[in-house]
Amino acid sequence: QKEVEQNSGPLSVPEGAIASLNCTYSDRGSQSFFWYRQYSGKSPELIMSIYSNGDKEDGRFTAQLNKASQYVSLLIRDSQPSDSATYLCAPTNSWGKLQFGAGTQVVVTP
Amino acid sequence: DVKVTQSSRYLVKRTGEKVFLECVQDMDHENMFWYRQDPGLGLRLIYFSYDVKMKEKGDIPEGYSVSREKKERFSLILESASTNQTSMYLCASTEQGNTEAFFGQGTRLTVV
Repeated sequence: QKEVEQNSGPLSVPEGAIASLNCTYSDRGSQSFFWYRQYSGKSPELIMSIYSNGDKEDGRFTAQLNKASQYVSLLIRDSQPSDSATYLCAPTNSWGKLQFGAGTQVVVTP
Repeated sequence: DVKVTQSSRYLVKRTGEKVFLECVQDMDHENMFWYRQDPGLGLRLIYFSYDVKMKEKGDIPEGYSVSREKKERFSLILESASTNQTSMYLCASTEQGNTEAFFGQGTRLTVV
């Protein structure tokens, strides 16, 4: 079993719709959870971080965390063509070991 | 402006060569990481370091070693390059604790 599991996609989303991305993790010591966006040929960049159970909203992005279920998700509202990228889930444990899921490719179609 | 710099953007090496990939960060970060990224496999952790001269194996350390003699510099060493080490290599750094990672621009290594 992989430590971080994500749907590989591609996830095709009509422009203006909601994209829903899921991530499960196996390390119960994970304390911080990050979502990175990676455009083709570029390095990952941070878009969201979440540290406690519940929802966290930042603009069109909402992260949801459920530590009991070892589950974290990312919603992208009003999806735009510029949101087409690969989204990487990254749980981090208490001493900073940063591991990534394989990523979910999102394709926003006009 | 924070910066993580990798020594090469593209590199071509021959099988059996010893290869050095260098990463330098200017943010005084304690933690530094080396990943490789292959299509469909995401970022896989090779090694990370949480302090000078300290290192921990990641998920795929075989065939690699690392060196961290100074806080700002983290080197990845391929002892004897093989074709299955052809990949994109990414370096990252973070502050101590659970904070945002900053990435270098990546090194596309091809072993022929």
